[in-house]
Amino acid sequence: ETGVTQTPRHLVMGMTNKKSLKCEQHLGHNAMYWYKQSAKKPLELMFVYNFKEQTENNSVPSRFSPECPNSSHLFLHLHTLQPEDSALYLCASSQVGRDSGNTIYFGEGSWLTVV
Amino acid sequence: QKEVEQDPGPLSVPEGAIVSLNCTYSNSAFQYFMWYRQYSRKGPELLMYTYSSGNKEDGRFTAQVDKSSKYISLFIRDSQPSDSATYLCAMTDSNYQLIWGAGTKLIIKP
Repeated sequence: ETGVTQTPRHLVMGMTNKKSLKCEQHLGHNAMYWYKQSAKKPLELMFVYNFKEQTENNSVPSRFSPECPNSSHLFLHLHTLQPEDSALYLCASSQVGRDSGNTIYFGEGSWLTVV
Repeated sequence: QKEVEQDPGPLSVPEGAIVSLNCTYSNSAFQYFMWYRQYSRKGPELLMYTYSSGNKEDGRFTAQVDKSSKYISLFIRDSQPSDSATYLCAMTDSNYQLIWGAGTKLIIKP
């Protein structure tokens, strides 16, 4: 149990489908993140939400759409994805501040395959 | 030049050996330094975090930060096959922006 729960763990979708990834954090943190991890590549930060406000969007294509309804929940809505979007999508949370320095905690990830 | 450099490996060592994993960085503003372990097909888990220079020990793991050389290390004593994983370093500046290394794949041979 990591304190950050992601569903589904595995997802296979066609290029015309619409699906969503869900994340919930039980740690009382004030920031939540979506990362993309592809084979043999470093973690890529996609979106950051601080106190429910999106503070960062690292030039992510519009076919990825985040939603943060409250400080504990985060969604990543997916539509018309490409095969190169197949990757591990990681949700994370952190308590940004002087004491913790932004130490983040990850969920187990959602493995996405686009066919 | 990348802000954080980390050798991707793989690093293969026999069981029981002392393992040294390293990252170098270029931004002298980095203050918090973290090591994560990631098993295959799992999310990264936090192993150690340190603030500023010095050593921190937790069981078989020791994290070391040398800010003057812009160099951080993670030592694993009495390495076990269960330590086989990818180890990622990460660090933050005063704005708490997190910068990641690419990860080093470690293999402990029984």
